[in-house]
Amino acid sequence: KAGVTQTPRYLIKTRGQQVTLSCSPISGHRSVSWYQQTPGQGLQFLFEYFSETQRNKGNFPGRFSGRQFSNSRSEMNVSTLELGDSALYLCASSSRDGQRRTGELFFGEGSRLTVL
Amino acid sequence: GQSLEQPSEVTAVEGAIVQINCTYQTSGFYGLSWYQQHDGGAPTFLSYNALDGLEETGRFSSFLSRSDSYGYLLLQELQMKDSASYFCAVRRGFGNEKLTFGTGTRLTIIP
Repeated sequence: KAGVTQTPRYLIKTRGQQVTLSCSPISGHRSVSWYQQTPGQGLQFLFEYFSETQRNKGNFPGRFSGRQFSNSRSEMNVSTLELGDSALYLCASSSRDGQRRTGELFFGEGSRLTVL
Repeated sequence: GQSLEQPSEVTAVEGAIVQINCTYQTSGFYGLSWYQQHDGGAPTFLSYNALDGLEETGRFSSFLSRSDSYGYLLLQELQMKDSASYFCAVRRGFGNEKLTFGTGTRLTIIP
């Protein structure tokens, strides 16, 4: 079956702008999580959505937000972009059974955001 | 806070064996996972250890010692395609907010 799909793959924005990233999870997966990946910090948890509800949120400012639709597709938004927001944003989906057994995440290839 | 330590870079020879270590200090522990990520690619799940001991999956094995807060990933019969970054991740509870990743080890395979 198809994997996790993220769009766009690359984008360049300037400080102060806002950006919306999209994620389509694996069919049947209802949990979608977002991570920020930077060279120095590794993967940092942003938030998790399940059945259109935000279940948890990491330590990121309110400029970072997201939502999930009834078909489990998710979007994340970053407003008032800062230079430090340049990163690879990864989306991951998981199944209930996978979460229970091993916590296995299925990642997309990410959206690489560059803020100038 | 939560901390996981891995070597930042490791170089190994094609056909050889390499071990990537991970030590952790976290509040809560349910298990240790390993992910592989090629440049420009998605992290992919490799293995998970909830109990002490060795788990083997083909050329890859993963080990855990909970008393030492330590684990490692062992790659055998190295191939050039194994050049990638490898992340350990501690599962501190149920829920993805409880998954803490290390900063990754970049493995380079040389002929």
